Amino acid sequence: DAGVTQSPTHLIKTRGQHVTLRCSPISGHKSVSWYQQVLGQGPQFIFQYYEKEERGRGNFPDRFSARQFPNYSSELNVNALLLGDSALYLCASSFNLIGQRENTEAFFGQGTRLTVV
Amino acid sequence: AQTVTQSQPEMSVQEAETVTLSCTYDTSENNYYLFWYKQPPSRQMILVIRQEAYKQQNATENRFSVNFQKAAKSFSLKISDSQLGDTAMYFCAFMKSYSASKIIFGSGTRLSIRP
Repeated sequence: DAGVTQSPTHLIKTRGQHVTLRCSPISGHKSVSWYQQVLGQGPQFIFQYYEKEERGRGNFPDRFSARQFPNYSSELNVNALLLGDSALYLCASSFNLIGQRENTEAFFGQGTRLTVV
Repeated sequence: AQTVTQSQPEMSVQEAETVTLSCTYDTSENNYYLFWYKQPPSRQMILVIRQEAYKQQNATENRFSVNFQKAAKSFSLKISDSQLGDTAMYFCAFMKSYSASKIIFGSGTRLSIRP
């Protein structure tokens, strides 16, 4: 079975540029969440989407946006990149919203390593 | 707000030994889950074990077990008969239940298993 797939695996961007990261959830999963993991730290929650609607947002600036498509895949967009945006961006998929009692397990992809220079 | 604290940045043990990773958390919620995730060099976050707060019995998955002390807000992971493949970053994590939520991670413990 295909797991959560993220593309690209690595990316180098220049300060001020825009970046789009992509995530395909496990087949049948309707929820996608995005996390930012800065080197040496634990992941930090950015967004959760369910059935194409934003259902949660972390403490990130408006430069970060996301959307979920009818096939439940998702894109994370970051505008006006800063050096501090360099991180591993993880996508997690789950059948339902993370936090519901049933199907609470989130499955993570291998992430996109973004380097801003 | 919930917080998760891992006070051991790094640990190293010999293969076949038992190792315990510590985690404390702070929350005013009564219904929640606690997790231990493993992140090997491949970067993929893998669920090791899950504990539901309403369950008094400690969760066990093969060589992995937890010591859940709800009143003390402590959630440690014990790895028995450690193997080289257990080398990874380990993250303790918290999640509220019964509502759209997010996973809150600790800062991680880097575990090295020596041959």
